[in-house]
Amino acid sequence: TQLLEQSPQFLSIQEGENLTVYCNSSSVFSSLQWYRQEPGEGPVLLVTVVTGGEVKKLKRLTFQFGDARKDSSLHITAAQPGDTGLYLCAGGYQKVTFGTGTKLQVIP
Amino acid sequence: GAVVSQHPSRVICKSGTSVKIECRSLDFQATTMFWYRQFPKQSLMLMATSNEGSKATYEQGVEKDKFLINHASLTLSTLTVTSAHPEDSSFYICSASSSLAGRVSYKSPLHFGNGTRLTVT
Repeated sequence: TQLLEQSPQFLSIQEGENLTVYCNSSSVFSSLQWYRQEPGEGPVLLVTVVTGGEVKKLKRLTFQFGDARKDSSLHITAAQPGDTGLYLCAGGYQKVTFGTGTKLQVIP
Repeated sequence: GAVVSQHPSRVICKSGTSVKIECRSLDFQATTMFWYRQFPKQSLMLMATSNEGSKATYEQGVEKDKFLINHASLTLSTLTVTSAHPEDSSFYICSASSSLAGRVSYKSPLHFGNGTRLTVT
């Protein structure tokens, strides 16, 4: 079983602050995805990274895939209350495994 | 974009009864569907993988006789929680892939339903 550990588990920050969420595994993944989930809803795909060392930007969100394709990070610049949610990394080829999740709260 | 519809969004049932949850892909053919369970403030736990026309593959520790999965067509999969008990109360989410064997990639990502909140009293 491929495990994905996310850190931190919980994060509460003030609006305007920056933050980084980490996703780590001992296994190599062909690709990793990042999702955001709001209460009572399904996860929404933010990005997929496929190449080791790849960096993708989505407005204020920057995603990086580790060179060895075992880890990834999500950096949010100038967080806003709308960024509040559960962030999940996920990976796998035939069967997608979700990370342990990071609950982010951005306080206005 | 691809849409997956899950129904019902909320259901309350009495202990001992069975509940069926539907997952439909509205604008694409889903060769593979996945069922997840999510406890409050936790991540998604994969319960089973179903491929159209064949038996579902259950994850270790998931009772296949309790969580019946049927994937009779390329657009519909159902999860039936049989003889539900309060400990089955949870948020159940389905996802669908249009790729063969559910090989998720940037070309064939997973599409998620909005989940079903099951409460067993």
